[in-house]
Amino acid sequence: EAGVTQFPSHSVIEKGQTVTLRCDPISGHDNLYWYRRVMGKEIKFLLHFVKESKQDESGMPNNRFLAERTGGTYSTLKVQPAELEDSGVYFCASSQISPGFWDTDTQYFGPGTRLTVL
Amino acid sequence: AQSVTQLDSQVPVFEEAPVELRCNYSSSVSVYLFWYVQYPNQGLQLLLKYLSGSTLVESINGFEAEFNKSQTSFHLRKPSVHISDTAEYFCAVIIAGGTSYGKLTFGQGTILTVHP
Repeated sequence: EAGVTQFPSHSVIEKGQTVTLRCDPISGHDNLYWYRRVMGKEIKFLLHFVKESKQDESGMPNNRFLAERTGGTYSTLKVQPAELEDSGVYFCASSQISPGFWDTDTQYFGPGTRLTVL
Repeated sequence: AQSVTQLDSQVPVFEEAPVELRCNYSSSVSVYLFWYVQYPNQGLQLLLKYLSGSTLVESINGFEAEFNKSQTSFHLRKPSVHISDTAEYFCAVIIAGGTSYGKLTFGQGTILTVHP
């Protein structure tokens, strides 16, 4: 079974440009999470999809970030326009949706996308 | 709001020595506790978790962690480490009760380096 995949693995862009990160969850996983780790800091939650719906987007930093999950399969995270402080590693994770077990289902993480904004 | 503190950013040890990676959390409500590991160039993998029941939980590769409610700690231990245990380890919590929908709150990470 394929794990969570993320593309690209690295992205280097200039301030003001647009970047789109992609996450393919494990097949059949309805829960999809985005997290970010800024250098030297802890991994922080960005948002959570259940199928194609945003369950919780309380961690999104500002309106320059747009996440989508059309069709409830893969997800994209677009940053437009990118700023220097957006640099970091963006992780995606997925888990099965088990009624009553939201909190205890194992989240499977992708390898992350390292974004560098110059 | 909940928070997680990993007390050591880096822990160097020699092979076959014991190790303890410390984790403390702060929360006004019950939480579930997790340890994740990230090997170089890989994604995070769940190492072990505490949900309820016995306060001592074990992983398949010899790590164990003990939930201590009074000290709000969930330290990770291994009696004898291997070179292959070199990785970054993350402690994390989820608020119990279903209101967080699986949102993980992480500590800052501890880099474990095992020397020959």
